[in-house]
Amino acid sequence: DAKTTQPNSMESNEEEPVHLPCNHSTISGTDYIHWYRQLPSQGPEYVIHGLTSNVNNRMASLAIAEDRKSSTLILHRATLRDAAVYYCILDTGNQFYFGTGTSLTVIP
Amino acid sequence: DGGITQSPKYLFRKEGQNVTLSCEQNLNHDAMYWYRQDPGQGLRLIYYSQIVNDFQKGDIAEGYSVSREKKESFPLTVTSAQKNPTAFYLCASSPGQGRWNTEAFFGQGTRLTVV
Repeated sequence: DAKTTQPNSMESNEEEPVHLPCNHSTISGTDYIHWYRQLPSQGPEYVIHGLTSNVNNRMASLAIAEDRKSSTLILHRATLRDAAVYYCILDTGNQFYFGTGTSLTVIP
Repeated sequence: DGGITQSPKYLFRKEGQNVTLSCEQNLNHDAMYWYRQDPGQGLRLIYYSQIVNDFQKGDIAEGYSVSREKKESFPLTVTSAQKNPTAFYLCASSPGQGRWNTEAFFGQGTRLTVV
């Protein structure tokens, strides 16, 4: 069974905020939550990660539910360059479990 | 510049042949990983190594082999025993042993096609 589940695809208008959800109901207390994004035929690129508290960086924000069973990646103002597949990943300390990803389309 | 390099970018192999994919990093990372990606799917872990001369099987190790003789290098061999080897292969490295509590870096991938 997949450790993370994400919607297959989402759309956003340019310059509007985007909220990308991820469910990870089997997460344990020491598992980190990571988000990476991938353009076609390229390697994934780091976006953000966290453990319990919400996190902000120059690219995005990560909101983690209080029970840690879900999280949301927030892009504050989507640009055309943000169009990619976004992966929610659980780092269990032994292995790193990728979800199937959400393909984000940004509409000009 | 520090980074992780995979070569070649494209690789063609005849059925029944072994082929080796290269992965080199100059980030001084302890941990390295190999993933396989099929069209429209997420990444699946093949092998990982947390330290030189040690490596562990991932979820789909059958038909693959690796070595970790140097910290900088983690080559992957796709053997003739791998029944469906055509895929996009990604190598990654991270600083910590088995934990991505910091950023991990991915190579640009090798697209392997069996003809």
